Amino acid sequence: AQSVTQLDSQVPVFEEAPVELRCNYSSSVSVYLFWYVQYPNQGLQLLLKYLSGSTLVKSINGFEAEFNKSQTSFHLRKPSVHISDTAEYFCAVKSGGSYIPTFGRGTSLIVHP
Amino acid sequence: NAGVTQTPKFQVLKTGQSMTLQCAQDMNHEYMSWYRQDPGMGLRLIHYSVGAGITDQGEVPNGYNVSRSTTEDFPLRLLSAAPSQTSVYFCASSYAGTGGYEQYFGPGTRLTVT
Repeated sequence: AQSVTQLDSQVPVFEEAPVELRCNYSSSVSVYLFWYVQYPNQGLQLLLKYLSGSTLVKSINGFEAEFNKSQTSFHLRKPSVHISDTAEYFCAVKSGGSYIPTFGRGTSLIVHP
Repeated sequence: NAGVTQTPKFQVLKTGQSMTLQCAQDMNHEYMSWYRQDPGMGLRLIHYSVGAGITDQGEVPNGYNVSRSTTEDFPLRLLSAAPSQTSVYFCASSYAGTGGYEQYFGPGTRLTVT
């Protein structure tokens, strides 16, 4: 069974600093990779996804993630964060014949002024 | 499109009471799923469905029942509520096409069992 590890439960950072949220998964067979964001008291919404093709994928609000097959990782990065990026971020992986992605435990990004 | 809708938004139950959390989607998605979200535990899959009439258990199915009589609706039933079921519940839908099984989430139901 697929497992997804988000190595940091909480990442505090100052505004305009760069950030990386880490995600590793267990099975590398035919994976689709996702990052979701959950703002306070809201549901989850898709931030970006990797299905195939270029291993670097980007969101409209400046986040990017790179699929690294050899390291089974899909880390999320942003070169300069804003206060409004404060949220919970979830990595999810769908692999093989499964129908539903497996989610990590989430990383709380806290951006300080 | 309304997307994925969930009712109610908030609910307080006493131990032993039963209730149904409603979930509906208007995107004609094949797959639907229920998750619970607890602090430090992330999202845990309760039950899922791959089409009308077909359901299966996820990671934490005990204490919950589901059915899927139509493509649109996927209600979650708590038969005898327990304090351990206090949580935020999310319903999601997805399809196997170009979205790659991307999950579309509802706004959630916050349930408290006293």
